[in-house]
Amino acid sequence: SQQGEEDPQALSIQEGENATMNCSYKTSINNLQWYRQNSGRGLVHLILIRSNEREKHSGRLRVTLDTSKKSSSLLITASRAADTASYFCATDGYSGGGADGLTFGKGTHLIIQP
Amino acid sequence: DAGVTQSPTHLIKTRGQQVTLRCSPKSGHDTVSWYQQALGQGPQFIFQYYEEEERQRGNFPDRFSGHQFPNYSSELNVNALLLGDSALYLCASSWEASSYEQYFGPGTRLTVT
Repeated sequence: SQQGEEDPQALSIQEGENATMNCSYKTSINNLQWYRQNSGRGLVHLILIRSNEREKHSGRLRVTLDTSKKSSSLLITASRAADTASYFCATDGYSGGGADGLTFGKGTHLIIQP
Repeated sequence: DAGVTQSPTHLIKTRGQQVTLRCSPKSGHDTVSWYQQALGQGPQFIFQYYEEEERQRGNFPDRFSGHQFPNYSSELNVNALLLGDSALYLCASSWEASSYEQYFGPGTRLTVT
């Protein structure tokens, strides 16, 4: 079953605008990750935020994590046509170490209009 | 440095048949996880292999089985295929002793008719 839900399910914006996607999850986590998927192909890792972190940046990406609300957001600034893709959040549980099986949400489909 | 590779790219099988999918992890990685992604859904965790043993398993029936070889490559086997097994099957590799980031292959698109 899916751990969380991304919101919105789909988002269409103009190139150059900022895109914000949200993710909610249900159980306690070690880490939360965001992945991108182009046209039903393999997933590309974007960023990982640990449960004791509140905000993290990577290039044009900014991720926040609120463990009290069990939610995270992904902000993509100055969007480009190449950012058109599906975005998934994924969580792992408290199994003690190493890379655990991830639990994904259903994803947000982002379309950047040129 | 080769990333995660999967074969075949596409596969069409008939209900009741058996299928084997293959995955080679990224160089230096020793852990392989398999995921099933139905159309319009997020990936669902099937199982994970480390040191040639199944270490974790998601909510999938015993028809789904796997294997990891000494060179860390892995196979996913699905018996008695159902129409509902049609999906993109993704392999991901990682390094047990390091970060939690997983590197995904391009996937195998399985269609069951």
